[in-house]
Amino acid sequence: DAGVIQSPRHEVTEMGQEVTLRCKPISGHNSLFWYRQTMMRGLELLIYFNNNVPIDDSGMPEDRFSAKMPNASFSTLKIQPSEPRDSAVYFCASSLGSGTANTGELFFGEGSRLTVL
Amino acid sequence: KNEVEQSPQNLTAQEGEFITINCSYSVGISALHWLQQHPGGGIVSLFMLSSGKKKHGRLIATINIQEKHSSLHITASHPRDSAVYICVLIQGAQKLVFGQGTRLTINP
Repeated sequence: DAGVIQSPRHEVTEMGQEVTLRCKPISGHNSLFWYRQTMMRGLELLIYFNNNVPIDDSGMPEDRFSAKMPNASFSTLKIQPSEPRDSAVYFCASSLGSGTANTGELFFGEGSRLTVL
Repeated sequence: KNEVEQSPQNLTAQEGEFITINCSYSVGISALHWLQQHPGGGIVSLFMLSSGKKKHGRLIATINIQEKHSSLHITASHPRDSAVYICVLIQGAQKLVFGQGTRLTINP
């Protein structure tokens, strides 16, 4: 298996532009997580899906952020409009289970580094 | 007071040394993850623990639920173990609380 695949690996955009980050989880995994990592705040969980359904989006910073999982093999995280403070590395992870406490190992993608100018 | 405290924040050791990284927390948890983040940024989940001890190769993780403490040990450390190690608390089914990480550097 190729592991969790994220794209793009790097994106540089201007303030106000729409940003879409993509994630393909490991085949067969039914839980998918979006995380953000910054120097100031470390790693933060943004949203978590189970069986394509958003279970907990309390970590999503504000309405400019949205995430979808139209099917078991694809998820997007969208920021519209983007702001400089959104600059971070965004990680996607997948696992097999029904909740973060019940999952086995988490498998992380390599991250998407976003820079908003 | 932070819900989770990792120590030390930075650790430099020589190749071959036995390494211990600690994670203390003040809240009830259902489980705990140890993550490893490589210098290139990639993140690997090392262990998920809810009790006792787990071992994988040179890595050992322990947790004491009563004392609210977990440790990650590395035996016969190697420069390739240089990374940031992050303790992640799992509260209930879903809430995650991240430690600030321990930056480990193993010199040859």
